[in-house]
Amino acid sequence: KAGVTQTPRYLIKTRGQQVTLSCSPISGHRSVSWYQQTPGQGLQFLFEYFSETQRNKGNFPGRFSGRQFSNSRSEMNVSTLELGDSALYLCASSFGSEQFFGPGTRLTVL
Amino acid sequence: QKEVEQNSGPLSVPEGAIASLNCTYSDRGSQSFFWYRQYSGKSPELIMSIYSNGDKEDGRFTAQLNKASQYVSLLIRDSQPSDSATYLCAVVAYSGNTPLVFGKGTRLSVIA
Repeated sequence: KAGVTQTPRYLIKTRGQQVTLSCSPISGHRSVSWYQQTPGQGLQFLFEYFSETQRNKGNFPGRFSGRQFSNSRSEMNVSTLELGDSALYLCASSFGSEQFFGPGTRLTVL
Repeated sequence: QKEVEQNSGPLSVPEGAIASLNCTYSDRGSQSFFWYRQYSGKSPELIMSIYSNGDKEDGRFTAQLNKASQYVSLLIRDSQPSDSATYLCAVVAYSGNTPLVFGKGTRLSVIA
């Protein structure tokens, strides 16, 4: 069974721009969660989608948003990028309580 | 604020020894517990899950859960240099629809 895929793998943006990241979950998994990982803060939960509905949301500003499509694929968007948004963005899919991570998107904001 | 605490390390052990990684959590209602391994520059990989008190063994890995003391540990027997990575503890507060809370990880270094 194919794993979680994320695109793109690397991104370089400048402050003020916006970015959209994509995640395709493992086939049959309906839940997709997004995390931000930085050296200082570790893994921080952004939001979770299940059957196209946001089920949980972390403590991030409204510049961070997401959505899920009927095929369970998910996207997250960050508007008005700030230097502090530079991080590894990870998507994880789950069927039950176990979550499986994709390879991540490394975002650098200059 | 639900918290998961881990010693950041680095924890250094000689090849062939047992590595012991510990994690404590603040929410007494936590139900599900996970250990992830993350190599430098890679994403976390699920290596163990445990849901009830006691030990769970999988190959060289043993997860131990003590809900009364609110701690979960991971033992790695016969440690190998390839086990050198950061180990993340993750906890689900309640069964069902709550997100994972991660500790910041313990860096393990296995010395050949």
